Amino acid sequence: EAGVTQFPSHSVIEKGQTVTLRCDPISGHDNLYWYRRVMGKEIKFLLHFVKESKQDESGMPNNRFLAERTGGTYSTLKVQPAELEDSGVYFCASSQVGSNSPLHFGNGTRLTVT
Amino acid sequence: TQLLEQSPQFLSIQEGENLTVYCNSSSVFSSLQWYRQEPGEGPVLLVTVVTGGEVKKLKRLTFQFGDARKDSSLHITAAQPGDTGLYLCAGARSGGGADGLTFGKGTHLIIQP
Repeated sequence: EAGVTQFPSHSVIEKGQTVTLRCDPISGHDNLYWYRRVMGKEIKFLLHFVKESKQDESGMPNNRFLAERTGGTYSTLKVQPAELEDSGVYFCASSQVGSNSPLHFGNGTRLTVT
Repeated sequence: TQLLEQSPQFLSIQEGENLTVYCNSSSVFSSLQWYRQEPGEGPVLLVTVVTGGEVKKLKRLTFQFGDARKDSSLHITAAQPGDTGLYLCAGARSGGGADGLTFGKGTHLIIQP
């Protein structure tokens, strides 16, 4: 089975530009999560989709971040306009619905804002 | 805010030695997970512990969940160079584990041949 795939693997943009990250979860996984690791800090939760619905977006930093999951399949995370502090590695993870279903992470998108 | 403190942050030991990594919090978690992450890749789940006092073994790795479900440890016996990597603990707030996880900063482990 294909794992969680993220695109692009790396992105370098200038402050003020827009970037869209994409995540394709494992087929059949209704739960989809976005996490972020800023350099020197721990991985932090951003938001959680169940199918196409946002279950929890309490970790989203501010309104420059917009996540969507139209149709309940792949998800996008758009940052507009990007700021320097948005640099980091953005991870997507997916899991099946059910108690303690294992979380499968993608390899992440390394975002650098200059 | 629930925080998970991992220690040590960095550990470099010789092949064949034993080691223990700790994950501590002042908060109670419904379950705790341990991950291993390689450079350029995402975290890979090693184990989930759910019950206070639970011990799980994965070959040379032994995971323990504290009785009060606030802390956990990972013990590696006879470490091998292939054990090198970043080890992360992560706690779940709710019973299903479907909520966002709280991660520790990780322990960078290097096993020298």
